[in-house]
Amino acid sequence: GQQLNQSPQSMFIQEGEDVSMNCTSSSIFNTWLWYKQEPGEGPVLLIALYKAGELTSNGRLTAQFGITRKDSFLNISASIPSDVGIYFCAGPFPGSNYQLIWGAGTKLIIKP
Amino acid sequence: AAGVIQSPRHLIKEKRETATLKCYPIPRHDTVYWYQQGPGQDPQFLISFYEKMQSDKGSIPDRFSAQQFSDYHSELNMSSLELGDSALYFCASSPRQSTDTQYFGPGTRLTVL
Repeated sequence: GQQLNQSPQSMFIQEGEDVSMNCTSSSIFNTWLWYKQEPGEGPVLLIALYKAGELTSNGRLTAQFGITRKDSFLNISASIPSDVGIYFCAGPFPGSNYQLIWGAGTKLIIKP
Repeated sequence: AAGVIQSPRHLIKEKRETATLKCYPIPRHDTVYWYQQGPGQDPQFLISFYEKMQSDKGSIPDRFSAQQFSDYHSELNMSSLELGDSALYFCASSPRQSTDTQYFGPGTRLTVL
């Protein structure tokens, strides 16, 4: 089972609103990854974080690696219709260089 | 930029049949990973390979096997298919020096009837 707690499970927002989601773990992580998945497609890597306290942007997306190394946040500013999808946090399984474990995902829905 | 290629994109099989899924990693990526994603679920790690050797193993059933070939492509072989095997199967690849950053293919949707 998964070891990452991701919230919220889903978000219904108006176009133009800002979005925030987060992920927490009971274990310390050295890497946090944020992916977006659209229906029937593979997850697409959005942002990778490697250092506690790191703040990284990718266009309107900003992610932060929590200083405790047990959490991460993803923010989307001024949402647009193409932001719709499921956002997953992920990180390396403790003790493994290969296996990723995942949050349950945050489903983003934009109200017309 | 070139991405991970998976084939077929869709596959329909009967119970107890076998299936083979193929994955072609991004050029110069020598590590491949296989994941299974059920409806509404997060991806579950199955197995990974580096330089044709199994590097890590997750929740892969004994009925499944996989290998990586000299050109780095990988195949996931699934036998005695069960209804519960219906899922999206993703392959991801990464360069050896960046194993934490995996790039995913579009997936193969397997339906077992």
